[in-house]
Amino acid sequence: AQSVTQLDSQVPVFEEAPVELRCNYSSSVSVYLFWYVQYPNQGLQLLLKYLSGSTLVESINGFEAEFNKSQTSFHLRKPSVHISDTAEYFCAVRPRGGSGAGSYQLTFGKGTKLSVIP
Amino acid sequence: NAGVTQTPKFQVLKTGQSMTLQCAQDMNHNSMYWYRQDPGMGLRLIYYSASEGTTDKGEVPNGYNVSRLNKREFSLRLESAAPSQTSVYFCASSPGVRVSQPQHFGDGTRLSIL
Repeated sequence: AQSVTQLDSQVPVFEEAPVELRCNYSSSVSVYLFWYVQYPNQGLQLLLKYLSGSTLVESINGFEAEFNKSQTSFHLRKPSVHISDTAEYFCAVRPRGGSGAGSYQLTFGKGTKLSVIP
Repeated sequence: NAGVTQTPKFQVLKTGQSMTLQCAQDMNHNSMYWYRQDPGMGLRLIYYSASEGTTDKGEVPNGYNVSRLNKREFSLRLESAAPSQTSVYFCASSPGVRVSQPQHFGDGTRLSIL
């Protein structure tokens, strides 16, 4: 089984300041890692994912996340946030390999609400 | 716009009533999913359909049934609604179940059980 811990439920930050949203996971098997973003009254959108290769992955809108296997972390960062980044962010994991519901299932963290202050 | 469409967007039910949540996708995806989102809980998988004609239980299936009506549509039914099923329900679809094929989410159905 997998579990995901997002250490901060809410993160307020001033516009143009840097931000880090923390994500740690626990799993008995290797996992794939994801960050999703949810804007108010909308569904989730995939922000970025780590499947293999370089441990640093980037999104098209300036976010990046780094997979740290030894610390079982996948923190999300942005050097300068914009008002439009205000949303809830979810970290998720999925086991590598296997078959059936367990291998298809995304396990989500409880979410971090990012509020960008003008 | 192409995507995942959920109906209704809002619904209030009384305890014991039945309800079917509808989901349709127009992206020719093979796989579809139902999640529930509760405050402070993230999303939890209720049921999924890897391909047309198949359905399987997720993490929290109790109290729900699903039907994969055709490739486009995947419905979620509450036979006897309970207050614990008050939640926001999200439908998602993906080309397949491979990890390289990300899930696309609808905008959700907000369901309140009184």
